Amino acid sequence: KAGVTQTPRYLIKTRGQQVTLSCSPISGHRSVSWYQQTPGQGLQFLFEYFSETQRNKGNFPGRFSGRQFSNSRSEMNVSTLELGDSALYLCASSPNPLAGMIGELFFGEGSRLTVL
Amino acid sequence: EDQVTQSPEALRLQEGESSSLNCSYTVSGLRGLFWYRQDPGKGPEFLFTLYSAGEEKEKERLKATLTKKESFLHITAPKPEDSATYLCAVQANFGNEKLTFGTGTRLTIIP
Repeated sequence: KAGVTQTPRYLIKTRGQQVTLSCSPISGHRSVSWYQQTPGQGLQFLFEYFSETQRNKGNFPGRFSGRQFSNSRSEMNVSTLELGDSALYLCASSPNPLAGMIGELFFGEGSRLTVL
Repeated sequence: EDQVTQSPEALRLQEGESSSLNCSYTVSGLRGLFWYRQDPGKGPEFLFTLYSAGEEKEKERLKATLTKKESFLHITAPKPEDSATYLCAVQANFGNEKLTFGTGTRLTIIP
């Protein structure tokens, strides 16, 4: 069974640009979450999608947005990039058999974004 | 606001030297506490879920325990392949789909 796939794995952008990251969950998983990981802050929750609906959003500015497609694949977008957006962006999927119960998350290897 | 604090930040052990990692948490109603392992350049890998105080889970050389305020990850007779960063996370309140993570303990096992 294929794991969670994230693309691209590495990317370099400059301040003011925008970026789109993609995540393909494990087949059959309908919940997709996004996390930002930095050395100082650890993993911080960005948002979670289930059946194309955003159910929760973390404390990030509106420049961070996401969406989920009917096949459960998800994308996140960051507009007007800032230096502080440099981080590892992790996507995780979950089968979510019960509403509100995330339980075990399956993470991808992440997309490492560097903003210059 | 939910908070998770892990200690120590880093731990170096000799192979075979047992120890424990600590995870202290404050949440408005614990739904579940989770332990993950993260290797360099990889995403976190799920280890355990604990739901209520007094619960214990074991996997090979690892045992996780839970009280009302903290969780411990005990590692018995570790091997070099146990070297990784161990992350603790909590899910609070039914219907809240986010996990709040600690910053992790970086464990190094010296052969």
